[in-house]
Amino acid sequence: GAVVSQHPSRVICKSGTSVKIECRSLDFQATTMFWYRQFPKKSLMLMATSNEGSKATYEQGVEKDKFLINHASLTLSTLTVTSAHPEDSSFYICSARDPDRTYGYTFGSGTRLTVV
Amino acid sequence: GDSVTQMEGPVTLSEEAFLTINCTYTATGYPSLFWYVQYPGEGLQLLLKATKADDKGSNKGFEATYRKETTSFHLEKGSVQVSDSAVYFCALTSSFGNEKLTFGTGTRLTIIP
Repeated sequence: GAVVSQHPSRVICKSGTSVKIECRSLDFQATTMFWYRQFPKKSLMLMATSNEGSKATYEQGVEKDKFLINHASLTLSTLTVTSAHPEDSSFYICSARDPDRTYGYTFGSGTRLTVV
Repeated sequence: GDSVTQMEGPVTLSEEAFLTINCTYTATGYPSLFWYVQYPGEGLQLLLKATKADDKGSNKGFEATYRKETTSFHLEKGSVQVSDSAVYFCALTSSFGNEKLTFGTGTRLTIIP
């Protein structure tokens, strides 16, 4: 099946700095990717839909200027957390639809962000 | 809007016990239903799916049947193993082709030897 690679798996940063998370589709082209945030002991919340070559679509309540999404190619989407604060600490996961539709959606392994 | 209500955990079972994790949904149209599993430190993996009423999804000994009359998609396994310890998420898309997944809150399952 399709593989999505997410990097880094863990990152610790200081308050006020920015962090970039990459999501790559390794063996298929993904015109659309999705970014989720997972709070402790809670479900995944869709943050935004990343569209190749156009602006991302953000869910209600998600700050566009804080969570910058770029989908510059058919195999790469990036999420940049700008001016990070401790409350941004979370587990971020990207996904893309499996191109042959058999398996639904393929998820990256996630990024654990800790802001200190 | 679409929603998924999932049995709250954590659930702790002994090895070889029978497992049921309840999941009900609210959706317009004819949703596709999924169970995803998240092992410790990893991302989500698709466990099984069903795309229409009365379909049964199965994988690795797990099963779930799409029940439209009760809007349910309960996950079952006859004999769990320690390696099944993970967090399980029920999810749906309102129609296959709509790319938004709506997740339940997840159920943490721990199997003890």
